[in-house]
Amino acid sequence: EVQLLESGGGLVQPGGSLRLSCAGSGFTFSNYDMSWVRQAPGKGLEWVSGISSSGDKTFYADSVKGRFTLSRDNSNNRLDLQMNNLRAEDTAIYYCAKVPVNCGGDCYFNYWGQGTLVTVSS
Amino acid sequence: SYVLTQSPSVSVAPGKTARITCGGDNIGSHSVHWYQQKSGQAPVLIIYFDTDRPSGIPERFSGSNSGNTATLTISRVEAGDEADYYCQVWHRSSDYVFGPGTKVTVL
Repeated sequence: EVQLLESGGGLVQPGGSLRLSCAGSGFTFSNYDMSWVRQAPGKGLEWVSGISSSGDKTFYADSVKGRFTLSRDNSNNRLDLQMNNLRAEDTAIYYCAKVPVNCGGDCYFNYWGQGTLVTVSS
Repeated sequence: SYVLTQSPSVSVAPGKTARITCGGDNIGSHSVHWYQQKSGQAPVLIIYFDTDRPSGIPERFSGSNSGNTATLTISRVEAGDEADYYCQVWHRSSDYVFGPGTKVTVL
């Protein structure tokens, strides 16, 4: 059974930093592209960042480019999102999401974690 | 950047059919994927590549996509179908794009 378990959320002041992690199990982690998707309170879904299966390519939404860094450790089946210079508008539940293999450029998310809440407030 | 539009809400009686639309410029040339999100839960994939259902998703959920509109149809609506529904495409200018979501209320 595929499982994605996020951790690292919490309360942080504006301008601060936080590191989110996602532990994957039940599948061969190193074979799959992964992403983070967030959802602000009462709002819709927003893709944040993605990484290729090998970790050699990373992609970011314009809203977080230059502030967030995504990496992965395939030997430990872990995905990490380093978030710096956090703003109030980054307040959201952050979901780790798995992309199916060979989705051919029209990709989607076939598994999601339960999410971790990040609150940016003074 | 590519933008998707959805009606904010749809109300439907049990046993009836709900249709949720997702609009976008020439969306028919893109693959559309749909997610269901119940209150307090993570999203769940219910339709991918316009019409395909993951295992475990009831046949009551179906999708179509043509022109500037993709549609998610829920037949024989049940109380348990009450949720927010999001469409999503992958676009070269924006990577993963989600619609704003449609809240389905079962009367």
